[in-house]
Amino acid sequence: GDSVTQMEGPVTLSEEAFLTINCTYTATGYPSLFWYVQYPGEGLQLLLKATKADDKGSNKGFEATYRKETTSFHLEKGSVQVSDSAVYFCALSGQALGRLYFGRGTQLTVWP
Amino acid sequence: DAGVTQSPTHLIKTRGQQVTLRCSPKSGHDTVSWYQQALGQGPQFIFQYYEEEERQRGNFPDRFSGHQFPNYSSELNVNALLLGDSALYLCASSLGQLKIEETQYFGPGTRLLVL
Repeated sequence: GDSVTQMEGPVTLSEEAFLTINCTYTATGYPSLFWYVQYPGEGLQLLLKATKADDKGSNKGFEATYRKETTSFHLEKGSVQVSDSAVYFCALSGQALGRLYFGRGTQLTVWP
Repeated sequence: DAGVTQSPTHLIKTRGQQVTLRCSPKSGHDTVSWYQQALGQGPQFIFQYYEEEERQRGNFPDRFSGHQFPNYSSELNVNALLLGDSALYLCASSLGQLKIEETQYFGPGTRLLVL
């Protein structure tokens, strides 16, 4: 069945460092891929998405490219800020339309 | 534009009790999905409601049931609560047509603690 595997955390970085959070997926067909962010004590916010192979989603300096050949959707940001500290979830929407499959989440802490 | 709202924000129950959680979807949305997020885990799909009917269901027991009202708001009911039901319950809304690329928008969640 459909599933998402996300890099284990936590990840701790200094401000302005480069961020990569790895995400790989297993799915039949051509899923859509999402990154959601969860700030402390809050629900999930959509960060970016990509709906077909080679698409690049981007938002607030974050980027992720849908790579079908490696079944990956890694999240990157060139220069992180303290305000980026949160939990990041990779998710996919596949053949079970309307149902999202999530990874376990990666906790990011950015120090000034 | 009001986003997805949920009530209550926090709830404490004891084993064996029943609980009802409520969700109002984002303006213009007619589909509501419910997810359970255990501590340190990603959200798990419980079920989805559209046109007042359960359209899809995840791997949750019948103790979990739901309802959607004509105004598209929804309730999640859990009977015979177990300690393992302690979690953050998230509601997400979207548009009705089932599309792989459809985005779901999440509410802030209801944190349930079962003692």
